Amino acid sequence: DIQVTQSPSSLSASVGDRVTITCRASQTISIFLNWYQQKPGRAPKLLIYGAFSLQNGVPSRFSGSGSGTDFTLTINSLQPEDFGTYYCQQSYSTPVTFGQGTRLEMK
Amino acid sequence: QVQLVQSGAEVKKPGSSVKVSCKASGGTFNSYAFSWVRQAPGQGLEWMGGIIPVLGRTIYTQEFQGRVTITADESTSTVYMDLTSLRFEDTAVYYCASGEGVKWELPNWGQGTLVIVSS
Repeated sequence: DIQVTQSPSSLSASVGDRVTITCRASQTISIFLNWYQQKPGRAPKLLIYGAFSLQNGVPSRFSGSGSGTDFTLTINSLQPEDFGTYYCQQSYSTPVTFGQGTRLEMK
Repeated sequence: QVQLVQSGAEVKKPGSSVKVSCKASGGTFNSYAFSWVRQAPGQGLEWMGGIIPVLGRTIYTQEFQGRVTITADESTSTVYMDLTSLRFEDTAVYYCASGEGVKWELPNWGQGTLVIVSS
């Protein structure tokens, strides 16, 4: 199985900050890396698919980059509604695997 | 875009089974791959397995192999997840999710079904 390691596990930031979350796969996964945001009590929401493609309706302050084994989610100019937990997911091969999550909290 | 509506919360005894349903609407059922993802209280997301109805193919993670069965009923556009031999640690929210075609990125999610295993 492909392991996906996400860092950091938690992060404190302020409105307006630029935030970066990274994800590393245990083997090459091309660009089959997706990012999700989850708010408490809600289902996850797909933000980025295929490493860098923005899902419909997702604000352009979210961006993704990377290929192979190393990937990054960047949030520019953090907004109050961006606080929550972020997960990466590899969809290169089954079983699909998620990162452990990054909890983004307000400083 | 497909909408996914799951069945309601369940309370089950250890050793029993639970069957959660997920009804799809607003799309072509056979154009989707469906996944089941669970989330234990305060924990992360765990992919349990998936089904591709048009191919009649199911995939399970090793952790759940032998305890989980995922099925699809095209006539009702419904996907099911059956988990047997329930343990206390199976207490979680179970999500149904779908992608487009034979892809496992998940743009569409159900509302989640809470399963509590308690004696």
